[in-house]
Amino acid sequence: EDQVTQSPEALRLQEGESSSLNCSYTVSGLRGLFWYRQDPGKGPEFLFTLYSAGEEKEKERLKATLTKKESFLHITAPKPEDSATYLCAVPGAGGTSYGKLTFGQGTILTVHP
Amino acid sequence: KAGVTQTPRYLIKTRGQQVTLSCSPISGHRSVSWYQQTPGQGLQFLFEYFSETQRNKGNFPGRFSGRQFSNSRSEMNVSTLELGDSALYLCASSLGTGYGEQYFGPGTRLTVT
Repeated sequence: EDQVTQSPEALRLQEGESSSLNCSYTVSGLRGLFWYRQDPGKGPEFLFTLYSAGEEKEKERLKATLTKKESFLHITAPKPEDSATYLCAVPGAGGTSYGKLTFGQGTILTVHP
Repeated sequence: KAGVTQTPRYLIKTRGQQVTLSCSPISGHRSVSWYQQTPGQGLQFLFEYFSETQRNKGNFPGRFSGRQFSNSRSEMNVSTLELGDSALYLCASSLGTGYGEQYFGPGTRLTVT
């Protein structure tokens, strides 16, 4: 069964203090990895898709990277508006499982001004 | 392009009642997946519908059911509500072919008293 583990559970940063979030996974074969951002009381917002080890994607202050066993979400010079829960997820195996995502527990990021 | 919509946004029900939640996917998306989110368990997959057929199902009791219509809109039903069913119910839409990203709606907050 696919397993996704995120660390740390919570991260407090000062504005401008760069850091990284980790997502490690155990799957029968890498089929992609997704990063989402979720604000309180709202649905997750899609950020990135990574399919191959070595792949990188960037969006504003966020950069996602992927290795064979884990993914990192690097946050450069964060701002208070980056405060949110960041989730990673992997899709199920096989055609009948395209629509199933297994999520990690998330990292709650708080950026203080 | 309009996003995923869910109705109602909030619901309060009593134990033993049943509830129906609705989800309208992004135009052109044929897959709708449903998830339950609670503070203790995080985001858990309920089931997925693709072209009006349930393609995958998570580990939830039979009280949780769903369906999809020819226009890809989906409904989820929970019968004989229990206090533990209180959660944020999220639906997500995707193309449904291949390991593509899912786009989430705002969710329905269900409270069972």
